[in-house]
Amino acid sequence: GESVGLHLPTLSVQEGDNSIINCAYSNSASDYFIWYKQESGKGPQFIIDIRSNMDKRQGQRVTVLLNKTVKHLSLQIAATQPGDSAVYFCAEIGPLVFGKGTRLSVIA
Amino acid sequence: DSGVTQTPKHLITATGQRVTLRCSPRSGDLSVYWYQQSLDQGLQFLIQYYNGEERAKGNILERFSAQQFPDLHSELNLSSLELGDSALYFCASSAGPGLGTRGYTFGSGTRLTVV
Repeated sequence: GESVGLHLPTLSVQEGDNSIINCAYSNSASDYFIWYKQESGKGPQFIIDIRSNMDKRQGQRVTVLLNKTVKHLSLQIAATQPGDSAVYFCAEIGPLVFGKGTRLSVIA
Repeated sequence: DSGVTQTPKHLITATGQRVTLRCSPRSGDLSVYWYQQSLDQGLQFLIQYYNGEERAKGNILERFSAQQFPDLHSELNLSSLELGDSALYFCASSAGPGLGTRGYTFGSGTRLTVV
């Protein structure tokens, strides 16, 4: 069946560096994607979304890029902070189908 | 506080038992979704209810069932529990039957431990 998956299970970055988290999707008909952040012991929180008629969307310190040609999403976090340490999921419409997640660890 | 309330926060029970997880959606939201998250796994969609009716079904086992009541709160019933059912169970809500904008609002989850 259709699936959403993440390229890397873990990512460690130095505080202040930029982070890039990648996600591949397989349903070429998907037209809406969301990135969620899940901190330890909490439910997923919305970070940013993007529709398929866009290839880039920016939020506060975060940017999502969508490459429909290769069915790839990325989440870029600028000036990564310790508070950014969490598991990040990409999800496509659905009901929402989530990838397994990437754990981001920020090294102070 | 997301506005989605889940109770209990923690639950420990023995194999073969039955438990009920409860969810109150955010005020004004008519859809409730249940997800299961096992250790180091992604969120697996179980089932969706919209305004009291089942709307969509995912990978929900036959031992599991859910319902949404007239006041819009929802319960997820897990029976004949097995060790592998130990997981975090999340409830999420949205205003309409579909995704809407910004996706779903998630509760803090119920951690179920089957021993």
